[in-house]
Amino acid sequence: QQKVQQSPESLSVPEGGMASLNCTSSDRNFQYFWWYRQHSGEGPKALMSIFSDGDKKEGRFTAHLNKASLHVSLHIRDSQPSDSALYFCAASEHNDNNRIFFGDGTQLVVKP
Amino acid sequence: DPKIIQKPKYLVAVTGSEKILICEQYLGHNAMYWYRQSAKKPLEFMFSYSYQKLMDNQTASSRFQPQSSKKNHLDLQITALKPDDSATYFCASSPNWGVSAETLYFGSGTRLTVL
Repeated sequence: QQKVQQSPESLSVPEGGMASLNCTSSDRNFQYFWWYRQHSGEGPKALMSIFSDGDKKEGRFTAHLNKASLHVSLHIRDSQPSDSALYFCAASEHNDNNRIFFGDGTQLVVKP
Repeated sequence: DPKIIQKPKYLVAVTGSEKILICEQYLGHNAMYWYRQSAKKPLEFMFSYSYQKLMDNQTASSRFQPQSSKKNHLDLQITALKPDDSATYFCASSPNWGVSAETLYFGSGTRLTVL
């Protein structure tokens, strides 16, 4: 069973709209979570990390973590066409092997 | 300027052949990794190295062999190539090994197609 599940698979929002991406985990050992973004033809790039319960805001991006339910979300307000990309949720345990597990990704399209 | 350089960007190989994927990082990081991304699976961890030493291996097949000649250099040799090996291979790095919650920095990938 895949350890990190993302929904929806794809999402289309109008420019200026709000995009909401979700991620759940089946592994209660996960302590650290990230959102990565991958534009076409490029490698993934870390967008945000969130390690504590609650909200974390960076500009137009807000991540929310609920460790009890192992749920992480990413909300993008005032979405821009340049936000169109594949978004990955990633998680790791508190250990020393640096292994990070990725979800399948959510393809976001922001339409002008 | 890209801080993690992967070469080549595209690679086409025939079944049964051998190829080497090149990766160099100029971020001053002490840990390097290989990940694979295919249409069938999410980003999948393969190997991790620190100071030229293999730290973790999640790849069952011995056809995949990482090679590290320098601390900032981690190549991936793939022998006896199969069509199922077709994927984009990403090199990544992080500041340290053995520290929880390390963010990964990825290169732009090598897209391998095996015919």
